[in-house]
Amino acid sequence: AQSVTQLGSHVSVSEGALVLLRCNYSSSVPPYLFWYVQYPNQGLQLLLKYTTGATLVKGINGFEAEFKKSETSFHLTKPSAHMSDAAEYFCAVSGRTGANSKLTFGKGITLSVRP
Amino acid sequence: DTGVSQDPRHKITKRGQNVTFRCDPISEHNRLYWYRQTLGQGPEFLTYFQNEAQLEKSRLLSDRFSAERPKGSFSTLEIQRTEQGDSAMYLCASSSQAFDRGREKLFFGSGTQLSVL
Repeated sequence: AQSVTQLGSHVSVSEGALVLLRCNYSSSVPPYLFWYVQYPNQGLQLLLKYTTGATLVKGINGFEAEFKKSETSFHLTKPSAHMSDAAEYFCAVSGRTGANSKLTFGKGITLSVRP
Repeated sequence: DTGVSQDPRHKITKRGQNVTFRCDPISEHNRLYWYRQTLGQGPEFLTYFQNEAQLEKSRLLSDRFSAERPKGSFSTLEIQRTEQGDSAMYLCASSSQAFDRGREKLFFGSGTQLSVL
């Protein structure tokens, strides 16, 4: 079984400031980890994913995340926030084989960016 | 790659009515998933198909819900005797077995927004 915890429901940063969105996971099997973004009235868009190999994963729009097995974490960061980053962000975990391939999502974090 | 298509985009119905949603996955994808998303929450898994076989169903999928994928291509999700608590965005996603090798992602459709009055 897998689960995801995203602490806090809302993060607000100033434009140009560091973005840090936290994600902790629980998985009974080696996980795949994902961050998705959802803009208002739009579908889910994959930002980045960790499957195997390098634990620091770079995604689109300048985002990156680091898989830390010892901390069971997969926090999302971006060095400098842009107004266009305001959206809902979801962390998700899955197993690695067919029977476990479904994604389990966290509750999401709303990111606001102040001018 | 035409993406995952869902129809309709919006559905308004009265409590007690039956509704059916359709999902057309990416053509070569043999895996299909249904999720439900309510306001302020992350998507919740409902059910999973590999080809035409329904391999997993969430406890969220009550007896009023049924999903099919008759020929391993498109899928339908039917809700009978709708309740106001069924109001949500219903999302469909698909993938191929390349997902197991870390070479692919789940591709999501834009969803069907259901409002039960």
